[in-house]
Amino acid sequence: GAVVSQHPSWVICKSGTSVKIECRSLDFQATTMFWYRQFPKQSLMLMATSNEGSKATYEQGVEKDKFLINHASLTLSTLTVTSAHPEDSSFYICSARGNRGIQQPQHFGDGTRLSIL
Amino acid sequence: SQKIEQNSEALNIQEGKTATLTCNYTNYSPAYLQWYRQDPGRGPVFLLLIRENEKEKRKERLKVTFDTTLKQSLFHITASQPADSATYLCALVSTGTASKLTFGTGTRLQVTL
Repeated sequence: GAVVSQHPSWVICKSGTSVKIECRSLDFQATTMFWYRQFPKQSLMLMATSNEGSKATYEQGVEKDKFLINHASLTLSTLTVTSAHPEDSSFYICSARGNRGIQQPQHFGDGTRLSIL
Repeated sequence: SQKIEQNSEALNIQEGKTATLTCNYTNYSPAYLQWYRQDPGRGPVFLLLIRENEKEKRKERLKVTFDTTLKQSLFHITASQPADSATYLCALVSTGTASKLTFGTGTRLQVTL
C-alpha cells in the first residue's frame, strides 16, 4: 500500500527554536498534502492543505507565519514551526493524497512528537 | 454547528465477538465517509471508504454501513481479535468543503481474551 514517511518522529527542543518536519510520499505522487495536529485524547485537527507548487491554505486560527509549509515537489512537503513555544508542543501528522481527488483515501505518516521546553 | 460524534467511552469486547462502533454526524453533507485505525503514537491507517450513494461496504472482517437519512455510519469488526485493539476514527469528506477530511474523536476498542 501507499507509504508516507514523516521525519523526525520525535523532537525535544528549547523555547524559541525553529523545528522543521518532513513528509515524503514514497511510492506515489502526492498532489495534495495535509498537516494535522493532535492533542492527547483529541481528534486530528487540520492545520493546512497544500498542493504541489502552490501556497498552502491554512485553517481558521492557524498562524501561517508561525507554521510555514512548503510543498515544492510531488513527493515532499515540509512544516516548519518557527520560534516554537511550549504551547506548540503536540503530535503533528502529515498525510498525502494522489491525483484522483477526494474519492481517494489519505495516507498518513506516523507523526512527529514535538516537545518544547 | 457541525459535529462528528463517536462514543468517547472505550468499547470492551471479548475475542471472537463482533465489535460495532458508531459515528453520527450533524450538519454535514458527506460525499464520502472513511474509517481509520490509529494505534498509540502512530498516524491513522486507512481502512474503508464508503460513498454517499452506497449502503454497505465490506473488506475481509470489516463492514461499514452508511445511512444518510439517520446521518450515521456503523463500523463492524467480526470475529474480533486482541490485535484489533486500537482507536477507530471516522472521517467525512463533505461536499463543498474543498475536499477536506474532518475527523471524529475516535472510539477506543479493547478486545480481550
